[in-house]
Parts: sequence; C-alpha cells; structure tokens
Amino acid sequence: QQQVKQSPQSLIVQKGGISIINCAYENTAFDYFPWYQQFPGKGPALLIAIRPDVSEKKEGRFTISFNKSAKQFSLHIMDSQPGDSATYFCAAKTGAGGSQGNLIFGKGTKLSVKP
Amino acid sequence: KAGVTQTPRYLIKTRGQQVTLSCSPISGHRSVSWYQQTPGQGLQFLFEYFSETQRNKGNFPGRFSGRQFSNSRSEMNVSTLELGDSALYLCASSLSGRGNTEAFFGQGTRLTVV
Repeated sequence: QQQVKQSPQSLIVQKGGISIINCAYENTAFDYFPWYQQFPGKGPALLIAIRPDVSEKKEGRFTISFNKSAKQFSLHIMDSQPGDSATYFCAAKTGAGGSQGNLIFGKGTKLSVKP
Repeated sequence: KAGVTQTPRYLIKTRGQQVTLSCSPISGHRSVSWYQQTPGQGLQFLFEYFSETQRNKGNFPGRFSGRQFSNSRSEMNVSTLELGDSALYLCASSLSGRGNTEAFFGQGTRLTVV
C-alpha cells in the first residue's frame, strides 16, 4: 500500500520556468510533510517542509502548497535553474509525543532543467 | 557542525555473508533512522533508534537488525545476504522531543551483493 503518491515520475523544464511536483497522501494522521532533494551519489537533503496548519510555505524559489481537505501537497520551483536538476522526494510523517515516527516517501520525481 | 557520517561508502559482499554498516549522527541528535533505497521500491524505512532503544520498525525480515550506542552512534546488520539486498542504505538523524522532526541524511552506504 503506497501511502504517498508522487507525480510525475520525470519532468523536463526550460531554464527560468516553473517546476511543479505533486503528492497525495492517504493517512490523515500525517502531520509533517517535507520535501527532499537528492543528487546522484548523495543522500537526500531536506529542502523545505510544512505542517498541516499552514496552506503555503515559501523559502526562496521553493514553495510548498498544502490542501488538507484534498490530502494533497505540491512543490513549486520558480525560475528553475540547471543546478536544480535532481530527484525530488515528497514525504509524510506522523509523530506523537516524543516519537519521531518515520518518514513515508513518494517514489520520486527526476527533474531536468534544460539551459 | 559535522553532518551525518556513514561508513563505509561502498561495500561488495557475497550472497550468504553478513555486513555491518555504521552511522554517526549529528552531534546532539539522539534519534537515528535507517532507510533502504532501491530503484524499484524507492526509499523504505527500516527502523529507528532513540536512546539505545528501537522505537519503530519497518516491514523488513529479521535478517535486518540494528543497535544504537550510548553516544547515539548506530549500526545496522544484515545477515545471510541476498542479491535483493543490494541497495543504498541511508541513515538519518534528528533531535529528540516534540517539534524537532527535521531529519538529516548521510551520504549512504552503497551495498552490492554478488
């Protein structure tokens, strides 16, 4: 059972364009939604994260939009650059009390930004 | 501040052998989680340790085990290796307590089983 569904699998965007990656989740107990960026040969790096009490969060060129009723969230990369070419993973987590819970990841989106 | 350190970076093992991977978390982080990354299954949670206790476990066979030491360093062990265990094994560390949910990953250990 895939609890976090991510689309598209791959994405090609022109330099300066907007990259949009979407995720949908099933478990309403999820309370933390991070996005990770992974370059080949590296571990995933935390990019930006949001909690369900906020509908949007922006950090530089990266924005998360969150729709609690639809159980969907998305990553928007504005003014995409060739250096943004990487694989992006959305994730979700539950955490209660002192427990960290565990991250449930989407399958990933391979982004290529063409110069 | 040093990041999450995983050793070794690369390993080649033969079917049936066992392997031990090591993870040193960010200083002050008490939670360590392990994930397996493969092209087919993506990133899958193995287990989480906090204060030397396994707090959470994913859906992996008992051949996969781990432990955490008093200095928060963690090791994972895979016994009786199978070809399908070939993967990138990632360790993530995070602070303990409510609200401290950011997880930081190491570069991983690439395990190849032949």
